[in-house]
Amino acid sequence: DIQMTQSPTSLSASVGDRVTITCRASQSIDNYLNWYQHKPGKAPKLLIYGASSLLSGVPSRFSGSGSGTDFTLSISSLQVEDFATYYCQQSFNTPPTFGQGTKVEIK
Amino acid sequence: QVQLVQSGAEVKKPGSSVKVSCEASGGYFSSFTFSWMRQAPGQGLEWMGKITPILDVTTSAQKFQVRVKMTADKSTGTAYMELSSLTSEDTAVYYCARGLSGSGYAFEIWGQGTMITVSS
Repeated sequence: DIQMTQSPTSLSASVGDRVTITCRASQSIDNYLNWYQHKPGKAPKLLIYGASSLLSGVPSRFSGSGSGTDFTLSISSLQVEDFATYYCQQSFNTPPTFGQGTKVEIK
Repeated sequence: QVQLVQSGAEVKKPGSSVKVSCEASGGYFSSFTFSWMRQAPGQGLEWMGKITPILDVTTSAQKFQVRVKMTADKSTGTAYMELSSLTSEDTAVYYCARGLSGSGYAFEIWGQGTMITVSS
């Protein structure tokens, strides 16, 4: 199985900050990388697929980049509603696997 | 707008089975792929398997191959996941999710989650 490693595990930030989360795959996954936002008690929400494609309806402050083994999720100006846990996930092969998550907390 | 509505929380005894349903409303059902994931307390997300109703084909993670059964009722637009031989380690929130068209493993729409507690 492909291992997905996110960093950091958690971070504290203020409203308006730029936030960057990284994700590394244990082998090349081309651009088969997706990002999710997960809030307690809610279903995860797909933000970005194919490493950099923003799902319709997702605010443009979210962006993704990378290919091969190294990927990044950026939030250009953090909003109150963005405090959540973010997961990367590879869709390159079976089984699809998730990173361990990055919890974004209010500073 | 497509929604996935899952069945309610359950408490099960060790050794028993549980069957979770996932009803799709507001969209075409059969041609999409539906996956099942779970999240144990304090843990990350884990993919269990998938079903493509139009083909009636399933694929499951090796870890669950012996214990999981996924089915779909095309007439009602409902997917099911049955997990047998439950242990306390199966205590988790279980999610169904529909894959993006053309990318079955990008999970576009999720159910609300079903809490399964395994306890004697």
